Amino acid sequence: DAMVIQNPRYQVTQFGKPVTLSCSQTLNHNVMYWYQQKSSQAPKLLFHYYDKDFNNEADTPDNFQSRRPNTSFCFLDIRSPGLGDAAMYLCATSRDGIETQYFGPGTRLLVL
Amino acid sequence: EDKVVQSPLSLVVHEGDTVTLNCSYEVTNFRSLLWYKQEKKAPTFLFMLTSSGIEKKSGRLSSILDKKELFSILNITATQTGDSAIYLCVVRIGGGTSYGKLTFGQGTILTVHP
Repeated sequence: DAMVIQNPRYQVTQFGKPVTLSCSQTLNHNVMYWYQQKSSQAPKLLFHYYDKDFNNEADTPDNFQSRRPNTSFCFLDIRSPGLGDAAMYLCATSRDGIETQYFGPGTRLLVL
Repeated sequence: EDKVVQSPLSLVVHEGDTVTLNCSYEVTNFRSLLWYKQEKKAPTFLFMLTSSGIEKKSGRLSSILDKKELFSILNITATQTGDSAIYLCVVRIGGGTSYGKLTFGQGTILTVHP
């Protein structure tokens, strides 16, 4: 089945230790998004790729970076995780941004 | 600033009840309104609404959009405990083939008791 896959589902890292979360999709969608969702809050868009074009939200901290080596994969790099970065990270995809976004299962990040 | 407001923020009902969740929005360059259901995992898509007055239905769930009054409702009839979740109203904005940025409401937490 076509889907959005996120690995790992749970990630534990130490304060300040770089971490990478991955997302892959078999939907062949050209737009991929990364969201951060903290407890009891709505998802917050961090950035997205429209094809190879990277679009950062104005309030996304520099600590968060992203890479998209090809259509199917997108990575979220957190260079120096702080305690406040503990959250669920959701990847989503869309065709041209026109249709609905399809979400992956999320990666829950814990920072010790 | 684009804004999506949901009400109520939480709702507790018993199985068999009918519920109506509300969503109002103020955005520039509206494209569509989406409803998602979120349990203890990623949001799952329910409906996408682009035209006023056309009801979308899926089983016990239905939704309608009013683009003049800038709101949407999500109805759930004969609720079941499995309907307990956070219901997110999301508005997609953007022009042409833009990336389709989503603006999320705060969510309505629905709890259905047996």
